[in-house]
Amino acid sequence: TQLLEQSPQFLSIQEGENLTVYCNSSSVFSSLQWYRQEPGEGPVLLVTVVTGGEVKKLKRLTFQFGDARKDSSLHITAAQPGDTGLYLCAGSGNTPLVFGKGTRLSVIA
Amino acid sequence: DSGVTQTPKHLITATGQRVTLRCSPRSGDLSVYWYQQSLDQGLQFLIQYYNGEERAKGNILERFSAQQFPDLHSELNLSSLELGDSALYFCASSLGGSGGYTFGSGTRLTVV
Repeated sequence: TQLLEQSPQFLSIQEGENLTVYCNSSSVFSSLQWYRQEPGEGPVLLVTVVTGGEVKKLKRLTFQFGDARKDSSLHITAAQPGDTGLYLCAGSGNTPLVFGKGTRLSVIA
Repeated sequence: DSGVTQTPKHLITATGQRVTLRCSPRSGDLSVYWYQQSLDQGLQFLIQYYNGEERAKGNILERFSAQQFPDLHSELNLSSLELGDSALYFCASSLGGSGGYTFGSGTRLTVV
């Protein structure tokens, strides 16, 4: 069974701070996706990373896929209250997406 | 609006009852996935259908069943409900392959 461990589980920071959340597995994934989920809504896809070592930027968000395609990180620069939410990583292999339990981020103004 | 429609949004029912959750996928998507989300377990994959056929099965209980109809909408049937079945149930759709999923807003099931 492929498992994805996300850390930290909870993160509360002040507006303007930087943060990094992590997604780790002992399994290799063909691709890895990051989603953000807000209360009362389903997860929304932020990015897909496919190549080991790949780095993708989405405004203030930087996503990195590990060289061995077993781990990923999400870095947010100058966090804003609008970044508040549950960040989920999901791995794709031969089965439907496997999700981590998420990092719940709260950005305080 | 993500394009994936789930009904109902909320459902409260008693133990032992049976309910049906409905999902209409995004236009053009052939794959439908059902996930269960609880606070302690996170998003757990239940079952996938592709163009009407069952494609993959996850941690779906025998009391649960699903199907995808010719118009590609899908239904998840939950029977002999227990208190522990209370959770958010999400439907997602995709074109297939390794692309991202589009999720609906979910159905919050409360079993009392």
